[in-house]
Amino acid sequence: KAGVTQTPRYLIKTRGQQVTLSCSPISGHRSVSWYQQTPGQGLQFLFEYFSETQRNKGNFPGRFSGRQFSNSRSEMNVSTLELGDSALYLCASSWMRGEQFFGPGTRLTVL
Amino acid sequence: DQQVKQNSPSLSVQEGRISILNCDYTNSMFDYFLWYKKYPAEGPTFLISISSIKDKNEDGRFTVFLNKSAKHLSLHIVPSQPGDSAVYFCAATVFGSYQLTFGKGTKLSVIP
Repeated sequence: KAGVTQTPRYLIKTRGQQVTLSCSPISGHRSVSWYQQTPGQGLQFLFEYFSETQRNKGNFPGRFSGRQFSNSRSEMNVSTLELGDSALYLCASSWMRGEQFFGPGTRLTVL
Repeated sequence: DQQVKQNSPSLSVQEGRISILNCDYTNSMFDYFLWYKKYPAEGPTFLISISSIKDKNEDGRFTVFLNKSAKHLSLHIVPSQPGDSAVYFCAATVFGSYQLTFGKGTKLSVIP
C-alpha cells in the first residue's frame, strides 16, 4: 500500500500571500489530520477531517483552514502568511483511533 | 499549558546498552499513548503504543511502560543500535478523539 503523500515538499512564500498544501491519505483511511511542527512549539494539532467533515480543530487562528474531498484527499490553506507560519506541515491518516500514519511533510518558508 | 512533556531534549547511549526515554502527562483524560520516531526531513513513524488499561507493551526491542498514578510513561530500547538515532516523540489521545497531543521530543544519539 502506498503511504501518505504530501505535495509540494518545499514551498517558499512571502508575507501576505496565501498557500495551499495537499495530502493524499493511505487508501481506505477516512480520517486525515494536519499538524504543524516548529522548533519552539513542537508538533501541534491543526485539525482533523473525517468523511469530509471537520471533527476537531486545534488552537490556531482562522487563517488556517482545511477541507476534505469525497476521495479522502485533503487540503489545508493558510491565508495572509506571517513569518511565524514557517514550519513543517505534516498530514496523517488513520482508519481507526490510535496509530496515525504520517506523510513526509511540506516545508513552508515565509520570507 | 503543555499536557505532554518530555523533559530531556537529548540523550546519548552506547550501542548495545539500554535507552530509556521518559514522558509525563498532566491530562488524566488521556487513555491511549504512542511513541513515534522521526528522522530529519521525514514524517514521524509509529513505533509502539499502549492503552491505559495496560501497564506494559512489548514489541521486539521496544517496550513501553505506563504508570497511571504517576502520569508517566517510558520507552525502553534494548539493545540500542546506531540506526535508532532519531528524535522520539511521545503522544497521547483522549477516548473518542483522533487528535494526538505530542511532547516536544527527545533526540537520541546511539554511539557506536
